[in-house]
Amino acid sequence: GDSVTQMEGPVTLSEEAFLTINCTYTATGYPSLFWYVQYPGEGLQLLLKATKADDKGSNKGFEATYRKETTSFHLEKGSVQVSDSAVYFCALRHTGNQFYFGTGTSLTVIP
Amino acid sequence: KAGVTQTPRYLIKTRGQQVTLSCSPISGHRSVSWYQQTPGQGLQFLFEYFSETQRNKGNFPGRFSGRQFSNSRSEMNVSTLELGDSALYLCASSLGLAGDSDTQYFGPGTRLTVL
Repeated sequence: GDSVTQMEGPVTLSEEAFLTINCTYTATGYPSLFWYVQYPGEGLQLLLKATKADDKGSNKGFEATYRKETTSFHLEKGSVQVSDSAVYFCALRHTGNQFYFGTGTSLTVIP
Repeated sequence: KAGVTQTPRYLIKTRGQQVTLSCSPISGHRSVSWYQQTPGQGLQFLFEYFSETQRNKGNFPGRFSGRQFSNSRSEMNVSTLELGDSALYLCASSLGLAGDSDTQYFGPGTRLTVL
């Protein structure tokens, strides 16, 4: 069945460091891919998405490219800030509107 | 426009009791999905309702049930609560269409503690 695997955390980075959070998926066909972010005490917020191969989603300095050949959707940011500290979830949406989420990666950015 | 709202935000119950959680989707959204989030299991899909019908279902026991009303508001019920039901319950709404552009928007969650 469909599934999402993302790198385990926690990840700790210094401010202005480069961030990569790996995400790979298993699905038949062409799912849509998403990154969500969850700040402490809050629900999930959509960060970015891509709906077809080679699409690049971007928002707030974060980027992710839909790579069908490697079934990946890695999240990157060139220079993280303390305010980026949160839990990041990779997800896919396939037919029938069912979403599958990864287990989440906790990011802490220290000044 | 207003986002997804969930009530109550916090709930404390004892084992054996039942609980009902409520979710109001974004205006115009017809799909409501429910998730259970725990530190050990991550985000687990419970079920999805679309136009008052359950369209998808996760792998949870029958103690977990839901329904959706004609205004798209949804409720989730958990009967005979167990300690392991303590979790953050998240609701997400979307248009529910088959197209690629459909996206889920989450509410802030209801934190349920079972004592």
